[in-house]
Amino acid sequence: DVKVTQSSRYLVKRTGEKVFLECVQDMDHENMFWYRQDPGLGLRLIYFSYDVKMKEKGDIPEGYSVSREKKERFSLILESASTNQTSMYLCASIRSGQGKGYTFGSGTRLTVV
Amino acid sequence: GENVEQHPSTLSVQEGDSAVIKCTYSDSASNYFPWYKQELGKGPQLIIDIRSNVGEKKDQRIAVTLNKTAKHFSLHITETQPEDSAVYFCAASSNNNDMRFGAGTRLTVKP
Repeated sequence: DVKVTQSSRYLVKRTGEKVFLECVQDMDHENMFWYRQDPGLGLRLIYFSYDVKMKEKGDIPEGYSVSREKKERFSLILESASTNQTSMYLCASIRSGQGKGYTFGSGTRLTVV
Repeated sequence: GENVEQHPSTLSVQEGDSAVIKCTYSDSASNYFPWYKQELGKGPQLIIDIRSNVGEKKDQRIAVTLNKTAKHFSLHITETQPEDSAVYFCAASSNNNDMRFGAGTRLTVKP
């Protein structure tokens, strides 16, 4: 069964901390995505990557950065966490040209205090 | 860019009744419309999808319809069961890297 694995289900971090959210997929997918999910706002795209070392800004990239050093791993970085970054973070992936829906991880619920 | 609107935000039905969730999109270039189901504590899972060259698609109790002219598409669940209770998201895209999601509908099926 194909899988997208997010390393943490729950995280609590302090304001100003540097936070790393990790996502690994075992499907050899080229494209990977980071979304945040907030009530009433749905899923909003933060960053995506279509190849190793490539990254593109999504709709809400401010306050975030990403890293894609290996094909299977896509990391989301909060350089200096703030309380308005408290949210559910979802990672997804898809093969190029597959033309199907994304495969999502189970999510990381981040609380910044 | 694409903008997807989804209604209603919450929906409560009796077990056995039908449920309908509607979405509209803005970009006429969008040609792929998936629907996701998110159960508590899990990530969204693809349940059905439709492409712009098709008007309707069915999979057992679930069906999706697409009206390209009006730029709207709908999810229909018949004979609802308690295990259908979840948050449902619609989405639209024209290629793999530009999928945009609706705000979600929380469906509750009362036994």
